[in-house]
Amino acid sequence: QSVLTQPPSASGTPGQRVTISCSGSSSNIGSTYVYWYQQLPGSAPKLLIFRNNQRPSGVPDRFSGSKSGTSASLAISGLRSEDEADYYCAAWDDSLSGPYVFGTGTKVTVL
Amino acid sequence: QVQLQESGPGLVKPSQTLSLTCTVSGGSISSGYHYWSWIRQPAGKALEWIGRIYTSGSTNYNPSLKSRISISVDTSKNQFSLKLTSVTAADTAVYYCGRAVDYWGQGILVTVSS
Repeated sequence: QSVLTQPPSASGTPGQRVTISCSGSSSNIGSTYVYWYQQLPGSAPKLLIFRNNQRPSGVPDRFSGSKSGTSASLAISGLRSEDEADYYCAAWDDSLSGPYVFGTGTKVTVL
Repeated sequence: QVQLQESGPGLVKPSQTLSLTCTVSGGSISSGYHYWSWIRQPAGKALEWIGRIYTSGSTNYNPSLKSRISISVDTSKNQFSLKLTSVTAADTAVYYCGRAVDYWGQGILVTVSS
């Protein structure tokens, strides 16, 4: 049961900027870091953003994260065809002892 | 570069126990990262966190699954394992093992069916 709410879909043309929202509560996003994952079809989730806005090595700077209060956002600028995937936000809930909660997921389509 | 590989039966009968093992290669399970995790994903649905184990053996579980879960670690084999008891069709999913929450194995499909 996902406790973080995301829009089911988002889309854009190549080169555009797409933003995905993630809405939580004071017990998760409001009090802990937010993480973002990209899941290509048939593949495992890949970490895109950690600690709200940090990118792991190798993740293009086209991907950026932000957080405000109990909501967070992932922005993809300069959209490319290979960005077509499912995107999930996540955060620890209630405390760092867990659970780790995921968002409902957003399917990004490149038109 | 650490790699994670899930292994175990792809088919489990209802009411039985699902047992999976994650083998860590490319590094020691006892060094670097402090904990190792399991998540799952039913077909077409969102990801769900199952739980984690620290290399000390301490665990945290998803409250919704806590009564049925057990995660253990075998540092001598560089492996950690998941057991989920009394499975039903609702437990059919791709199961992923992970290093903390930042890197996941390729996943293994487990189907619960008689």
